[in-house]
Amino acid sequence: EVQLLESGGDLVQPGGSLRLSCAASGFTFSNYAMSWVRQAPGKGLEWVSGISRSGGSTLYADSVKGRFTISRDNSRNTLYLQMNSLRAEDTAVYYCAKDNGPWGYCTNGVCPWWDYWGQGTLVTVSS
Amino acid sequence: SYELTQPLSMSVALGQTARITCGGNNIGSKSVHWYQQKPGQAPVLVIYRDSNRPSGIPERFSGSNSGNTATLTISRAQAGDEADYYCQVWDSSTGVFGGGTKLTVL
Repeated sequence: EVQLLESGGDLVQPGGSLRLSCAASGFTFSNYAMSWVRQAPGKGLEWVSGISRSGGSTLYADSVKGRFTISRDNSRNTLYLQMNSLRAEDTAVYYCAKDNGPWGYCTNGVCPWWDYWGQGTLVTVSS
Repeated sequence: SYELTQPLSMSVALGQTARITCGGNNIGSKSVHWYQQKPGQAPVLVIYRDSNRPSGIPERFSGSNSGNTATLTISRAQAGDEADYYCQVWDSSTGVFGGGTKLTVL
């Protein structure tokens, strides 16, 4: 059974930093791209970042580019999101999600989807 | 940036058919995925690549995509289908979600 367990969410002041983790099990982690998707309170879903199976390719939403860094440790079956220079508008539940394939982006006209999601971890940015 | 437009809310009578639309410029040329999210829960994939159902998703869920509109169709709606539904595409290496549609089953 595929399981994704996020952790690291907390209350942090504006300008602060936080690192989220997502522990994966039930599948061969190193074969699949992974992503982070967030949801502000009472709002819709927003894609944040994605990483290929090797970690060699990463993508970011414009809203977080230059502030957030996605990474993975395939030996630990763990996905990370380092969040710096946090803003109030970063307040959200952060979900990690497993891609259906290895790349994390569209290749040859085939674009990835997210077939498993974690339960999310809440990040609150407030003074 | 690419935008996806969904109705904010809609309702369907128990046992009837709900059609949730997702509008975007020439969306028919893109691959559309649909996610269901119930209150307090993580999203669940219900349709991928316009019209494909993952294992475990009832046949009552179907999808289509043409021109400027993609549609998620839920036949014989059940109380358990009450949820928020999001369409999603990729544009210029960016994941894009629609704003979501809250489906109420009456």
